[in-house]
Amino acid sequence: DADVTQTPRNRITKTGKRIMLECSQTKGHDRMYWYRQDPGLGLRLIYYSFDVKDINKGEISDGYSVSRQAQAKFSLSLESAIPNQTALYFCATSDRWEGYTFGSGTRLTVV
Amino acid sequence: RKEVEQDPGPFNVPEGATVAFNCTYSNSASQSFFWYRQDCRKEPKLLMSVYSSGNEDGRFTAQLNRASQYISLLIRDSKLSDSATYLCVVNGNNDMRFGAGTRLTVKP
Repeated sequence: DADVTQTPRNRITKTGKRIMLECSQTKGHDRMYWYRQDPGLGLRLIYYSFDVKDINKGEISDGYSVSRQAQAKFSLSLESAIPNQTALYFCATSDRWEGYTFGSGTRLTVV
Repeated sequence: RKEVEQDPGPFNVPEGATVAFNCTYSNSASQSFFWYRQDCRKEPKLLMSVYSSGNEDGRFTAQLNRASQYISLLIRDSKLSDSATYLCVVNGNNDMRFGAGTRLTVKP
C-alpha cells in the first residue's frame, strides 16, 4: 500500500458542483498539506495542517476548504467548482525537517 | 520575486553528457533544501537532500551556497531514464516552497 493515498485519481465535474478530494497516510506524520500544480507555475500551497486541531491557509486558499478528520486523514473540498480550478492536486505529509512524501495526485477537470 | 527560482529549460542533452541545474532562493532563514524529481503526470519524489558541505549520490551531486542563496544539482553520465522535471525545494516558514521545475530530456 502507498504511504499517501489520494482518491479519486481522476475526476471530471461541472461548474458549480461541490467536490471533495480525500487523502490518507500511513507515515504517522503530523503535518499534512494540499498543493495544486499548474503547468509553468510549479506547486502552490492551498492549505496545511500540523495536527488534528490545526488548519492554516496557504497562498491560494480562496475557493477551497479542508477538514482534518484524524491524524491520518486530510480532505480538500471545492464548495462550488469553477473551471480555473482545473489542475493536478497533490496531498503530502512530512516531519519537521524531512522532505515531503506525496500522494499520486488527483487530476481534476471542471467543465 | 518568486521565493524559489529555477531555469525552466528545457535542457536537451545526449546520453553520457554532464548537466547542471541551478536554483536561487530568497528566504535567507531557510534551513532545509531538497531536489525532487517529477515524471510526467506523476507525483514529485525526493531525489536528494542538500547539505551545507555538499553531497553526492552516485551520478548526482548537490551543492548549497548559503552566501549567494543558491543550490545546484549536477548529473554526470546522463541516462535516458534521467529524463524528467527536477524541482528545487526550500523550506519556508511553515512549509516547503517549490521552484517551477527544470525539464531535462536525455536523448540517445
